[in-house]
Amino acid sequence: GNSVTQMEGPVTLSEEAFLTINCTYTATGYPSLFWYVQYPGEGLQLLLKATKADDKGSNKGFEATYRKETTSFHLEKGSVQVSDSAVYFCALSLGLKYIFGTGTRLKVLA
Amino acid sequence: DAMVIQNPRYQVTQFGKPVTLSCSQTLNHNVMYWYQQKSSQAPKLLFHYYDKDFNNEADTPDNFQSRRPNTSFCFLDIRSPGLGDAAMYLCATSRGSAARVNQPQHFGDGTRLSIL
Repeated sequence: GNSVTQMEGPVTLSEEAFLTINCTYTATGYPSLFWYVQYPGEGLQLLLKATKADDKGSNKGFEATYRKETTSFHLEKGSVQVSDSAVYFCALSLGLKYIFGTGTRLKVLA
Repeated sequence: DAMVIQNPRYQVTQFGKPVTLSCSQTLNHNVMYWYQQKSSQAPKLLFHYYDKDFNNEADTPDNFQSRRPNTSFCFLDIRSPGLGDAAMYLCATSRGSAARVNQPQHFGDGTRLSIL
């Protein structure tokens, strides 16, 4: 079946550290891949997306590359800020169906 | 700004007392979704509407129902809430068609439901 697996958190980093949150997926067909961010008490916000193999999604300093050969979509940021503290969800879509990972909580310390 | 609005943000109901959560959107998206999200878990899809067509997930309890009177509004009805139904309920929309699949979803801020 289709699934998304994310690294467990929480991930705790100092400000300006490099961030990687791993995401791998299993899918039948050709999914689009997404990263969403959820701040406390809010809904999910789209952070970035990639629709086909080798696409790189980027937004607000975050990047992720759609790797079909490793079925991965790892999220990276070169220098995190305290304001990046949130829960990050990796997701795939096939048609109208979306499957989310369990989320990774990121804490950035000043 | 075009957006997805959920009301109320917080809802408290009694065990077994029916409750309705609402969602409205100004994006004019034809697909609307309801998710249940429990603490530290991924959102779990309950059902979605593609235009007026209702699509229930196989494991969604019969206790959960939905209505979509028009493009802009969608309601989640919980007929007899149990303690296990306490969660955050998220509404989302997307634009979907045969030519436009795998579009990103736009989420509201959710309604946090508590059961007494």
